[in-house]
Amino acid sequence: EVQLVESGGGLVQPGGSLRLSCAVSGFDFSNSWMHWVRQVPGKGLVWVSRINIDGTSATYADSAKGRFTTSRDNAKNTLYLQIDSLRAEDTAVYHCAREGFGWYFDLWGRGTLVTVST
Amino acid sequence: QSALTQPASVSGSPGQSITISCTGTSSDIVTYNYISWYQQNPDKSPKLIIYNVNNRPSGVSTRFSGSKSGNTASLTISGLQAEDEATYYCSSYTSRSPWVFGGGTKLTVL
Repeated sequence: EVQLVESGGGLVQPGGSLRLSCAVSGFDFSNSWMHWVRQVPGKGLVWVSRINIDGTSATYADSAKGRFTTSRDNAKNTLYLQIDSLRAEDTAVYHCAREGFGWYFDLWGRGTLVTVST
Repeated sequence: QSALTQPASVSGSPGQSITISCTGTSSDIVTYNYISWYQQNPDKSPKLIIYNVNNRPSGVSTRFSGSKSGNTASLTISGLQAEDEATYYCSSYTSRSPWVFGGGTKLTVL
């Protein structure tokens, strides 16, 4: 069974940091380009970042550049998103997703909620 | 504000057909055929239903179809069923971001 399970979200104060994880099973993670997409509760989807298969190259949305770092551990079938200097506007559900063969997202996790508040 | 523009809501009766539009620009929909559509139920993960404009993944009902004309992509659902009630998002590869989504369209089956 294919599964993408995010974890690591929670309540954090402005200026704090979090590391989100996405544990994958049921498909060949080490040969899959992976993404993070976030969604403010009740709002739309926003692309955050993409990482290549060996983790040597990551691309970020303008809103994520400088504070977000995407990485992966293929031995552990796990994708990560490090978020530093958290701001209220980073409050969202963070989904991990697999990139299909053609610039689309064919598998998604349910997401983990990050709430940035005092 | 989302980069792609979708209507906030659409509705239809069971058995009818509905179309959801997704309007973009020359940086995305006009130039690229990397347009996809996702269905999302409350508190669930998005599900891919259309990719590369008009392709359906295995297991997705043939009642779902996609198309593109100029700067507008469209998702058509024929033979509407109660289970189709959900929020639908379009997405496109773009020369700027490089992925953008629409703001989502809530489909109500009357």
